[in-house]
Amino acid sequence: QQQVKQSPQSLIVQKGGISIINCAYENTAFDYFPWYQQFPGKGPALLIAIRPDVSEKKEGRFTISFNKSAKQFSLHIMDSQPGDSATYFCAASTRRSGAGSYQLTFGKGTKLSVIP
Amino acid sequence: KAGVTQTPRYLIKTRGQQVTLSCSPISGHRSVSWYQQTPGQGLQFLFEYFSETQRNKGNFPGRFSGRQFSNSRSEMNVSTLELGDSALYLCASSPGRLAGALQETQYFGPGTRLLVL
Repeated sequence: QQQVKQSPQSLIVQKGGISIINCAYENTAFDYFPWYQQFPGKGPALLIAIRPDVSEKKEGRFTISFNKSAKQFSLHIMDSQPGDSATYFCAASTRRSGAGSYQLTFGKGTKLSVIP
Repeated sequence: KAGVTQTPRYLIKTRGQQVTLSCSPISGHRSVSWYQQTPGQGLQFLFEYFSETQRNKGNFPGRFSGRQFSNSRSEMNVSTLELGDSALYLCASSPGRLAGALQETQYFGPGTRLLVL
């Protein structure tokens, strides 16, 4: 079964601290791993994405670490700010054979609160 | 470029009714996917359309259907509404090319919040 397990469910971090959200997957056919950020009343917005051929990708304060052998990947938010308070979703996808179609399988989400 | 737009943003219906939601993808994007978001189940894939053809379908009953028009705009329809259909329905568009580094990147609209009474 295609599943992506995300933890923790909620996270409280002090301003300036590091927020870490973890995800694990089962389907080894997954080949694309995006992270989305969602604010209340808005749709998810793509933050950063990685493919399994690299172990780390950094964009500004956001870093994805990827461990292919453990089938795990994580999001690190450095110097967390109150404006980062949102729900974060990890996801994974694989191209359906011959169809060219990508279906995102999402984790359940992590509600991040960054306190001043 | 304008982002993904969805209409209406909010909708209240009663059980047994049907509803049609609309999505306009980012200009040039040919793939449109629909997702249902609920507090209990999270984000779940409904279906994906590319060039007016359904390419992929999630595990939802036949009451959920969709279509895509020649201008890539898409609609989804839910018939015989049930209380459990109350959710945020999200549309996402992607370039949908078969080659290219970002073909699978999906950009979401703000969603349509459906309340079934």
